[in-house]
Amino acid sequence: GEDVEQSLFLSVREGDSSVINCTYTDSSSTYLYWYKQEPGAGLQLLTYIFSNMDMKQDQRLTVLLNKKDKHLSLRIADTQTGDSAIYFCAEYNNFNKFYFGSGTKLNVKP
Amino acid sequence: DTGVSQDPRHKITKRGQNVTFRCDPISEHNRLYWYRQTLGQGPEFLTYFQNEAQLEKSRLLSDRFSAERPKGSFSTLEIQRTEQGDSAMYLCASSLPKASSSRETQYFGPGTRLLVL
Repeated sequence: GEDVEQSLFLSVREGDSSVINCTYTDSSSTYLYWYKQEPGAGLQLLTYIFSNMDMKQDQRLTVLLNKKDKHLSLRIADTQTGDSAIYFCAEYNNFNKFYFGSGTKLNVKP
Repeated sequence: DTGVSQDPRHKITKRGQNVTFRCDPISEHNRLYWYRQTLGQGPEFLTYFQNEAQLEKSRLLSDRFSAERPKGSFSTLEIQRTEQGDSAMYLCASSLPKASSSRETQYFGPGTRLLVL
């Protein structure tokens, strides 16, 4: 399968910005996604970006894509304690396949 | 319809027993996926259906695993002769790919957590 890599942990203080990074290897990826998973729950779609875009903003979320370096990031502005969760990036290619990273656990300290 | 549902949410079984999980997708979605997620990992693809047809199966899906989607709506995933290594969260997702776009967005259910003793 394809490799999607994320750092395992991120800790921030409430009110700060969080930046979660992801790298992928499949150059045929068409869309890239960010999902959030809270304890004991399934994955909740946060946002996605088409592979020919550089940036997408959606309220407190900003997605940046560097296609040349195959690097994706998710910035959460004004991080709240309710944002504490595991965040997964996923790539989708032309073969109807989704590949997920192993997730970044975000801890927001009050 | 509020989303993808899965039943049961938790299952504890003894090694060697058979278990069956059910997934009800979002009603108009024609694609249904099964994933397995172990602790500290992202979901790993197991299999997917387009309507009632099972189009792809991962190498992870041994012959003890079988999935069906008989009428193109709900799906079941059965594991026969369970092993301790089968302990994981089993996630179901559904989608409705748009013909005019290469975008496909999957919506996930809450998962079934399986523990094999």
